[in-house]
Amino acid sequence: DTGVSQDPRHKITKRGQNVTFRCDPISEHNRLYWYRQTLGQGPEFLTYFQNEAQLEKSRLLSDRFSAERPKGSFSTLEIQRTEQGDSAMYLCASSRTETDTQYFGPGTRLTVL
Amino acid sequence: GENVEQHPSTLSVQEGDSAVIKCTYSDSASNYFPWYKQELGKGPQLIIDIRSNVGEKKDQRIAVTLNKTAKHFSLHITETQPEDSAVYFCAASKPGGSYIPTFGRGTSLIVHP
Repeated sequence: DTGVSQDPRHKITKRGQNVTFRCDPISEHNRLYWYRQTLGQGPEFLTYFQNEAQLEKSRLLSDRFSAERPKGSFSTLEIQRTEQGDSAMYLCASSRTETDTQYFGPGTRLTVL
Repeated sequence: GENVEQHPSTLSVQEGDSAVIKCTYSDSASNYFPWYKQELGKGPQLIIDIRSNVGEKKDQRIAVTLNKTAKHFSLHITETQPEDSAVYFCAASKPGGSYIPTFGRGTSLIVHP
């Protein structure tokens, strides 16, 4: 197993456009998490899934953000009508269970012009 | 909610010296404390963690100590090497919070050869 993968690694978009990111967790990891990281800060929690169920969303996740995990495998994070303030690194992590270690992917760096 | 403070924000040492990074947390219910290392362009990677039923844990040149009474925990790196240069994040999580970690703001460790 090669770990958590994310695609794309970099995305540059114009303000107002929609973007979608994909995360493939470690196989058989039931939990999948999305975080946002800005320069000089630690990762900030956005949302997480237990299998296909989205169990918690942070207040950071505005209504322009939506995440899915169909069939409990890969996940997508979509941002609609992007704003410059959305520019950040979007990190995905997965774990086998609630108490197990979270393993992070390499992230998708989003730049909104 | 949980608040994690991390110090220093930057730490510069000579190769072979020891490095210590300190974190404090606010929620006494937190009982799991992971440390992550993030290299440029990569996602955070777990290097060591500690649960509240132990006061110290060591793995080769890395050790973590936990003082539950004072609500602080520290990362100790001995015999530092240039490849230890990275940003280090502490985090705290608790069962009532679905073990979603709250991260510190990070410490940029620079090891000079």
